[in-house]
Amino acid sequence: EAGVTQFPSHSVIEKGQTVTLRCDPISGHDNLYWYRRVMGKEIKFLLHFVKESKQDESGMPNNRFLAERTGGTYSTLKVQPAELEDSGVYFCASSQVGGFLTGELFFGEGSRLTVL
Amino acid sequence: DAKTTQPTSMDCAEGRAANLPCNHSTISGNEYVYWYRQIHSQGPQYIIHGLKNNETNEMASLIITEDRKSSTLILPHATLRDTAVYYCIVRVGTGNQFYFGTGTSLTVIP
Repeated sequence: EAGVTQFPSHSVIEKGQTVTLRCDPISGHDNLYWYRRVMGKEIKFLLHFVKESKQDESGMPNNRFLAERTGGTYSTLKVQPAELEDSGVYFCASSQVGGFLTGELFFGEGSRLTVL
Repeated sequence: DAKTTQPTSMDCAEGRAANLPCNHSTISGNEYVYWYRQIHSQGPQYIIHGLKNNETNEMASLIITEDRKSSTLILPHATLRDTAVYYCIVRVGTGNQFYFGTGTSLTVIP
């Protein structure tokens, strides 16, 4: 069974440009999450989808970030316009069970974003 | 934001048990303790989780104190491939929002 896949693995863009990251969760997983680690900092939660609905987007840093999950399958995270401080690794994760009795999260390998 | 405290780094001899401690003194009664690890530049990997009873799976054992204020992750026979950063996480809320903290960097020495 395929795991969580993310694309691209690495993206280098200039400040002010737009980047779109994609995440394909494990088939059948309704829950999808985005996390990120910016330079020298801890891994931080960004948001959580249940199917196509945003369950919790409290970790989104500002309105330059837009996450979508049309049809409840794959998700995209767009950064527009990108700033230098957005550089880091963006992780996607999925899980089968949400809520209180949750199980484990399955993380992808991450998408490394470098903003010059 | 992190509600856990872990040593910054630890070493363990290959083949020996690795015991990674974690303090979570402010944990509430319905919060689970999770352990994840991140090997080099890969995505975090789930290891184990528990509420109040000790847990064991094919990867590790989790020992939670009776007052639940601390726990220990045990890798029974550490191998070089277990070298990673280990995160002890107390889950907040019901939406799977994990606070990873700084973790413990475990180095398994040949």
